[in-house]
Amino acid sequence: GAGVSQSPSNKVTEKGKDVELRCDPISGHTALYWYRQSLGQGLEFLIYFQGNSAPDKSGLPSDRFSAERTGGSVSTLTIQRTQQEDSAVYLCASSFDPGRDIQYFGAGTRLSVL
Amino acid sequence: KQEVTQIPAALSVPEGENLVLNCSFTDSAIYNLQWFRQDPGKGLTSLLLIQSSQREQTSGRLNASLDKSSGRSTLYIAASQPGDSATYLCAVRKYGNKLVFGAGTILRVKS
Repeated sequence: GAGVSQSPSNKVTEKGKDVELRCDPISGHTALYWYRQSLGQGLEFLIYFQGNSAPDKSGLPSDRFSAERTGGSVSTLTIQRTQQEDSAVYLCASSFDPGRDIQYFGAGTRLSVL
Repeated sequence: KQEVTQIPAALSVPEGENLVLNCSFTDSAIYNLQWFRQDPGKGLTSLLLIQSSQREQTSGRLNASLDKSSGRSTLYIAASQPGDSATYLCAVRKYGNKLVFGAGTILRVKS
């Protein structure tokens, strides 16, 4: 596609349920990033993929969070046993060259945990 | 730990004014600095990217400067328009490819 695509755009779930968030990067972009934007916290890095490998997972807040990327393309961010503090907008970005290139962002998934 | 600060937190100006948004970062060992805008309910749109070896970048009415040694960047918007109203975010890239973001400046341009 022309841009980074994320689905769903909105997700409402109950505390304790698992959720999966999907990101389709721009075709040909080898680098993929997940960020989280919470009220009062700003934008925080979660994880970075180069191809299917994740050399930097330093931003994942707990072991309830995991992510994978397959075929060097689509990525899924999974949150297990969701908590209310997981409520945020989850943003995905991709770039052609992780070293120097602009990161292009999707519109995000707004997650609300009740 | 890299910290990024943006001043002011919010700004309201009449249409036509030139304005400056400020960004400062604590660790000068960066690869690049990027300015984004974010509209309500939307993702981020990249405006300008300045590599660490560069001093400034220009795109239309926007000009961004970088002084790596002092840990500062400014985004200059000329002849502001109501359509410029958005949140402007500054982000620096250090090692590991992740971006570290400031909290943003909320800009409102009144017609």
